[in-house]
Amino acid sequence: EIVMTQSPATLSVSPGERATLSCRASQSVSSNLAWYQQKPGQAPRLLIYGASTRATGIPARFSGSGSGTEFTLTISSLQSEDFAVYYCQQYNNWPRFGPGTKVDIK
Amino acid sequence: EVQLVESGGGLVKPGGSLRLSCAASGFTFSSYSMNWVRQAPGKGLEWVSSISSSSSYIYYADSVKGRFTISRDNAKNSLYLQMNSLRAEDTAVYYCARDFYDSSGYADYWGQGTLVTVSS
Repeated sequence: EIVMTQSPATLSVSPGERATLSCRASQSVSSNLAWYQQKPGQAPRLLIYGASTRATGIPARFSGSGSGTEFTLTISSLQSEDFAVYYCQQYNNWPRFGPGTKVDIK
Repeated sequence: EVQLVESGGGLVKPGGSLRLSCAASGFTFSSYSMNWVRQAPGKGLEWVSSISSSSSYIYYADSVKGRFTISRDNAKNSLYLQMNSLRAEDTAVYYCARDFYDSSGYADYWGQGTLVTVSS
């Protein structure tokens, strides 16, 4: 079983600042890694797949990187609508999510 | 426009059964794998079950194997989840989600979810 971890659990950022979120897999998942954004009371929204490919309609300020066991989601300049919980998910085998990182306003 | 609309959630006693439905529209339903993903109140996401476009491949999380059954009706553009022997830990919002492409393993469209509460 692949275990996904995310850090930090909570990230406090000011609007306009850069946010860097980390995701780690307990064993290699190659580039089979997706990122989702979830706001309160809403369904998750696909941001990134293949570790670094933005989904349709996702702004360029969102970028993903990494492969193997270490991955990063970067939001280059936080907008008010970006404050949310972010989940990574591996799909190298049975899909599993990380516990999430909450990005809140500093 | 892709739409996924779940229904069938509600309050059920431990040991009881419930059948969830997901009505799909705005895309060729028969070309995509479909999934159920759940989220317990205040918790993270758990991938529950997947079914391939032609129902040839079906998978379950260990936590629901033997109790839940996923199915689909491509003629009706509908996805189902039959949940039996329900437990308190099955309490969650259940989302219907479309695979990005058949059997991709990640989901690009999600419904708004239906709440299942298992309690006596």
